[in-house]
Amino acid sequence: KQEVTQIPAALSVPEGENLVLNCSFTDSAIYNLQWFRQDPGKGLTSLLLIQSSQREQTSGRLNASLDKSSGRSTLYIAASQPGDSATYLCAVHGSSNTGKLIFGQGTTLQVKP
Amino acid sequence: EPEVTQTPSHQVTQMGQEVILRCVPISNHLYFYWYRQILGQKVEFLVSFYNNEISEKSEIFDDQFSVERPDGSNFTLKIRSTKLEDSAMYFCASSPKAGRAGELFFGEGSRLTVL
Repeated sequence: KQEVTQIPAALSVPEGENLVLNCSFTDSAIYNLQWFRQDPGKGLTSLLLIQSSQREQTSGRLNASLDKSSGRSTLYIAASQPGDSATYLCAVHGSSNTGKLIFGQGTTLQVKP
Repeated sequence: EPEVTQTPSHQVTQMGQEVILRCVPISNHLYFYWYRQILGQKVEFLVSFYNNEISEKSEIFDDQFSVERPDGSNFTLKIRSTKLEDSAMYFCASSPKAGRAGELFFGEGSRLTVL
């Protein structure tokens, strides 16, 4: 059964710092991986989708990498800003071909001015 | 930018009552989903829906739950007889592509509180 884990659970950094959020999954037979942002009490905003054939995806200050063989993905945020403060979730599409995502518990990021 | 919209944003109900949560997926999307998030817990898959039928459901999605696409735009989740443990944020999502290939786009959620 696929399990997705995110470490750390919470992270606090000063503004301007580069940071890395980690996501690991137990079954490497994933189809793709999606990173989301969740603001308190709000919905999930898709940040990046990495197909299993890709090693990384970039969007602005965000870069996500995928290493299927080791069961890991990282989300790199460059030059963090207070507006980046949110919970970041990773989710994998596994063996099911119905669009079912399996989520990690998230990393709550606080960027201090 | 197109978005998934959900109503109501918050509903409070008494245990045993029926609840219908509504979603309007992005207009050219064909694949629809419901997820839920109990406070402090992971986001969990409930059901996926394509071509007017359920394509997969989780063990959470028992006989108390049903989904429907009553017209060309709405996608609903009905809980027949709510329990205290149904209190959660319910998210609707849609995707333009089939299954694993598709990027999922989520709505803002409907918070359900069962008293």
